[in-house]
Amino acid sequence: AQSVSQHNHHVILSEAASLELGCNYSYGGTVNLFWYVQYPGQHLQLLLKYFSGDPLVKGIKGFEAEFIKSKFSFNLRKPSVQWSDTAEYFCAVNDRSNTGKLIFGQGTTLQVKP
Amino acid sequence: ETGVTQSPTHLIKTRGQQVTLRCSSQSGHNTVSWYQQALGQGPQFIFQYYREEENGRGNFPPRFSGLQFPNYSSELNVNALELDDSALYLCASSSLDADTQYFGPGTRLTVL
Repeated sequence: AQSVSQHNHHVILSEAASLELGCNYSYGGTVNLFWYVQYPGQHLQLLLKYFSGDPLVKGIKGFEAEFIKSKFSFNLRKPSVQWSDTAEYFCAVNDRSNTGKLIFGQGTTLQVKP
Repeated sequence: ETGVTQSPTHLIKTRGQQVTLRCSSQSGHNTVSWYQQALGQGPQFIFQYYREEENGRGNFPPRFSGLQFPNYSSELNVNALELDDSALYLCASSSLDADTQYFGPGTRLTVL
């Protein structure tokens, strides 16, 4: 069965620290990969996505993610976090032949201390 | 450009009742997907609608049903509510030929 695993459930960082959130997926076919973010009191927003091409993708607000096919991973990174990055982060995948069904990980809560 | 909207924002029901949640898709989108997000969990896919027909379904019982209207808006209906149905229900819209879904703010359903 398809699944997405986010290894860090709750991360606490100080401002200016570097961030890396892990995401691994289990799926045998060709997938699209996404990171969504949910800021407090707001709806899910797309942070970045990978469909094909350069495995290093850049998103909004200085975030980037690297797709490593051999490791079934799509980790999210940011060199220097800000207090405003405090949010819940979700990794998600879908099958390119059935893009309607997004499979999400359980989420990582990031708390950035000022 | 109007984003995805959902109504109501919050809803409280009792076990055994029925509920209808509504979603208006983003301008230009013809596909609507529904997700259930339990507390502390990621969203789980319920089903997708395209051209007023169900176009894929997740692992949810038949008491979860939906509709899509000619203007692409959609409803999620849940019959015989159970306590475990308490969750945030998210609607997402997209174009069928596009791979990115855009989410609404959600409806928080509490079943007592």
